[in-house]
Amino acid sequence: GAGVSQSPRYKVAKRGQDVALRCDPISGHVSLFWYQQALGQGPEFLTYFQNEAQLDKSGLPSDRFFAERPEGSVSTLKIQRTQQEDSAVYLCASSLAGQVAEAFFGQGTRLTVV
Amino acid sequence: AQSVTQLGSHVSVSEGALVLLRCNYSSSVPPYLFWYVQYPNQGLQLLLKYTTGATLVKGINGFEAEFKKSETSFHLTKPSAHMSDAAEYFCAVRGRDDKIIFGKGTRLHILP
Repeated sequence: GAGVSQSPRYKVAKRGQDVALRCDPISGHVSLFWYQQALGQGPEFLTYFQNEAQLDKSGLPSDRFFAERPEGSVSTLKIQRTQQEDSAVYLCASSLAGQVAEAFFGQGTRLTVV
Repeated sequence: AQSVTQLGSHVSVSEGALVLLRCNYSSSVPPYLFWYVQYPNQGLQLLLKYTTGATLVKGINGFEAEFKKSETSFHLTKPSAHMSDAAEYFCAVRGRDDKIIFGKGTRLHILP
């Protein structure tokens, strides 16, 4: 596709429910990032993939958060037993390999836990 | 580990006035630096980036930024603000570990 696509755009979950957020990166982009953005804050790093390998998951806030990218393309961020503090916008970005490459962002998924 | 500090969570300038948004970084050398803009309910859009070479970088919409190694700064400027520049601006750094780390952002308000 032309850009990074995230689905759903909006998700309302009841506390305790599991959710899965999907990211379709730009074709050919080997690097994929997930960020959490709380209202009025900057994107906070969650995890990073290069192809199918998860190279860094240091930003995942708890073991309820899990991300995968099994074929090195589409990625899913899963949150188990959602809590109210998980309410945020979840941003996905992809880039070409290498430090000089900029990241291209999707429009995000706004998760509201009620 | 790299980090980014943006001074001023809110900046207000009059339409037509100079825009200056400040960013200081901490990173292993060489740092790769970026400015992104975010309009309401939208994703982040790249304004400009510094990798190597010329320290004054020009971006879209008339913005530019200057990399100053001695000051560990990468401030964003625009000579004349326009109402359409009102948005949230984020400075980011990408280090040797390939992670992209963002600052907390500066919301730019344009006064008529």
